[in-house]
Amino acid sequence: GAGVSQSPSNKVTEKGKDVELRCDPISGHTALYWYRQSLGQGLEFLIYFQGNSAPDKSGLPSDRFSAERTGGSVSTLTIQRTQQEDSAVYLCASSLVSLYEQYFGPGTRLTVT
Amino acid sequence: AQSVTQPDIHITVSEGASLELRCNYSYGATPYLFWYVQSPGQGLQLLLKYFSGDTLVQGIKGFEAEFKRSQSSFNLRKPSVHWSDAAEYFCAVGGRGNTPLVFGKGTRLSVIA
Repeated sequence: GAGVSQSPSNKVTEKGKDVELRCDPISGHTALYWYRQSLGQGLEFLIYFQGNSAPDKSGLPSDRFSAERTGGSVSTLTIQRTQQEDSAVYLCASSLVSLYEQYFGPGTRLTVT
Repeated sequence: AQSVTQPDIHITVSEGASLELRCNYSYGATPYLFWYVQSPGQGLQLLLKYFSGDTLVQGIKGFEAEFKRSQSSFNLRKPSVHWSDAAEYFCAVGGRGNTPLVFGKGTRLSVIA
């Protein structure tokens, strides 16, 4: 079946612009996660959704970052007024409520110039 | 605090040789442990997981891992490495329910002829 998909695969933006990153989870997966992967830093947790609500937003690095999920499916991560330090690969993952393994999408590579 | 340590940043092995990638974790409750692999430009693929029971778990692509509670370790092994195993390997720990995973910084595996 279809896996987790993310779009765009690559995004180059100018400093100060806003960007939106999209994640389509595996059908039926109620939990959705956003992570950020920076060079040499491993994976950093950003936010987690259970259905449409976000019980854990503790990883969002600043108030420029926000995310929403609608219909218990698609999620959008928005970064306002992008900064160069936001350059990274943003990974989305989803999981079933009753299972624990997370399935990852291919990521969106964001470059802020 | 929850954490995962992968002490080896980069490992080089010869094709056909055995492999062991180290992972140590710190987690306050019963840990759920995972190994993921990431090929260049790709998302993360789950290799194997440990939730409970037999401490030696088998995964895909001929990998196995052993959970040692006394050593807080979950090392990944493969008896004979193939050139296609060259990738980045991440160890992760999570808890009960759909909680975010905490990842190590990864170990890059290079395979030489």
